[in-house]
Amino acid sequence: AQSVTQLDSHVSVSEGTPVLLRCNYSSSYSPSLFWYVQHPNKGLQLLLKYTSAATLVKGINGFEAEFKKSETSFHLTKPSAHMSDAAEYFCVVSDQRTGTASKLTFGTGTRLQVTL
Amino acid sequence: GAVVSQHPSWVICKSGTSVKIECRSLDFQATTMFWYRQFPKQSLMLMATSNEGSKATYEQGVEKDKFLINHASLTLSTLTVTSAHPEDSSFYICSANSGRALYEQYFGPGTRLTVT
Repeated sequence: AQSVTQLDSHVSVSEGTPVLLRCNYSSSYSPSLFWYVQHPNKGLQLLLKYTSAATLVKGINGFEAEFKKSETSFHLTKPSAHMSDAAEYFCVVSDQRTGTASKLTFGTGTRLQVTL
Repeated sequence: GAVVSQHPSWVICKSGTSVKIECRSLDFQATTMFWYRQFPKQSLMLMATSNEGSKATYEQGVEKDKFLINHASLTLSTLTVTSAHPEDSSFYICSANSGRALYEQYFGPGTRLTVT
């Protein structure tokens, strides 16, 4: 079984300040982990992914995340928030298996608000 | 590359009627497609997994007779909501896997269904 817990349903930051969105995971296998962003009335966009290579993963738009196995965490960070970062963010886990495409399990989401 | 489209992007139907939603992989062949639903301000919940040429696998609690899934070709999967009711109103999202990486899913933009 696999699951993800997003610790904050809502995060508010000022423009130009750092962003931290927290995610903890549980997986019976070696997991792949992802962060997706969803802007209002838009489709999901992949920000970054971890698939057992480097533990510090850099994504698009200045976001990065660090896989910490000992803490079962995959927190998303960005040094300086921009107004356009305001959106819903989903942490996602996938068990790495062979044979068929893996199922994705989504966290409950964190709404990021960016204020002036 | 790896573009997935959905049609229609939004649809309104009357209670008791059926609605068909199409999911197409535009520039790759999708060995596996997934269907999710997302209620307002909530996360994505996997409904079913479909492999080309075989019957879909439904998640627990999803009525297979109500949500008919057909994956007749490597580029097209359809979801038909039969005898729709207002509680079926939701955002339906599909994703597709090309088979190159088992964890990788490319998401469509979603279809908003409103049942009146």
